[in-house]
Amino acid sequence: SQQGEEDPQALSIQEGENATTNCSYKTSINNLQWYRQNSGRGLVHLILIRSNEREKHSGRLRVTLDTSKKSSSLLITASRAADTASYFCATVGLYNQGGKLIFGQGTELSVKP
Amino acid sequence: DTGVSQNPRHKITKRGQNVTFRCDPISEHNRLYWYRQTLGQGPEFLTYFQNEAQLEKSRLLSDRFSAERPKGSFSTLEIQRTEQGDSAMYLCASSPAGADTQYFGPGTRLTVL
Repeated sequence: SQQGEEDPQALSIQEGENATTNCSYKTSINNLQWYRQNSGRGLVHLILIRSNEREKHSGRLRVTLDTSKKSSSLLITASRAADTASYFCATVGLYNQGGKLIFGQGTELSVKP
Repeated sequence: DTGVSQNPRHKITKRGQNVTFRCDPISEHNRLYWYRQTLGQGPEFLTYFQNEAQLEKSRLLSDRFSAERPKGSFSTLEIQRTEQGDSAMYLCASSPAGADTQYFGPGTRLTVL
């Protein structure tokens, strides 16, 4: 069973618009990561935010983390058709020594040209 | 590019047959992870190795599943007596010990008829 849930499950926007997906999780974490998956492919790491951080940026990506609400959001600004993919949040538990990732169900993003 | 590789990429088998998948991690990575992903869901953790030692197994890994990493390099995942419910994408990932980011292979898609 998965740790978290993502909202929305699917999102369709026009090129140039911003896209936001939210992730909620259940247990205390060491860090939270976001991954991207193109259809039928492996996952690509996008960004990692640690439990003592509240916001992080990488290029057009902005991630926030609210540990009191056990939630995170991923914002993609100025979206492009090439951003079309599924986006997953994944957590590493606070006492997890091995680094295993617990994934959410993902948000399927479609960016229309 | 010496990323994570997985073979085969696709496998179709009949119920009751045994199948084996191979994962070659990035060469200097001593942690190796297996995940399973069904359609429309996020990946679920199966097991992980540090070098040749299998340090954690999920309850999802029934006794029909076995994973090995005999020399601490490549890993194999075998499923015996396959069932239709085993149909999924099997993903392998690797990371250096102590690192939080995992690097995923392209996956092996298994279809059990």
